[in-house]
Amino acid sequence: AQSVTQLGSHVSVSEGALVLLRCNYSSSVPPYLFWYVQYPNQGLQLLLKYTSAATLVKGINGFEAEFKKSETSFHLTKPSAHMSDAAEYFCAVNPPNTGNQFYFGTGTSLTVIP
Amino acid sequence: EAGVTQSPTHLIKTRGQQATLRCSPISGHTSVYWYQQALGLGLQFLLWYDEGEERNRGNFPPRFSGRQFPNYSSELNVNALELEDSALYLCASSLVQGAADTQYFGPGTRLTVL
Repeated sequence: AQSVTQLGSHVSVSEGALVLLRCNYSSSVPPYLFWYVQYPNQGLQLLLKYTSAATLVKGINGFEAEFKKSETSFHLTKPSAHMSDAAEYFCAVNPPNTGNQFYFGTGTSLTVIP
Repeated sequence: EAGVTQSPTHLIKTRGQQATLRCSPISGHTSVYWYQQALGLGLQFLLWYDEGEERNRGNFPPRFSGRQFPNYSSELNVNALELEDSALYLCASSLVQGAADTQYFGPGTRLTVL
């Protein structure tokens, strides 16, 4: 069975500090990988996705993620946190040959401290 | 272009009742997905419809059902409501052109079961 693990259900950073949100997947074949953000009382918005092209993927709002096959990881980073980055972040995988089946992690709540 | 829309925004029911949630996908999208987001559990996949057919369902009891209409909108029905059905129900839509098709989410319906 596919699984996605997001280490740290809550992460706090100071404004201007590095943001690092962790995501690991379990799959013998590299899946397609996604990061979504959810602001309070809203649906999910796509930040970025990895589809087997470049391993470093740049997304919206200054976020990027690096696919590391050897570590089965797809961690999300941003060099400098803004107050507006406070939200819930979800990692998702789309395993190969499953059509468009997505599996989501349990989410990481990011708090930005002024 | 209009995004994914869901109705109602909030729904309050009592145990044993039935709930009907509705979703309209982005114009041109043929696939609709339903997820349950209960507190602390991340997104749990419920159902996937494409071209009017159910393509896959998650690990939920049969009292969770749905359908997709010829205009690709969708309905989720939850029968015999239980307290633990209280959650945010998210609908997403996508094209199905191959793998890694991005899912676009609606704002959700907050279901409260009393």
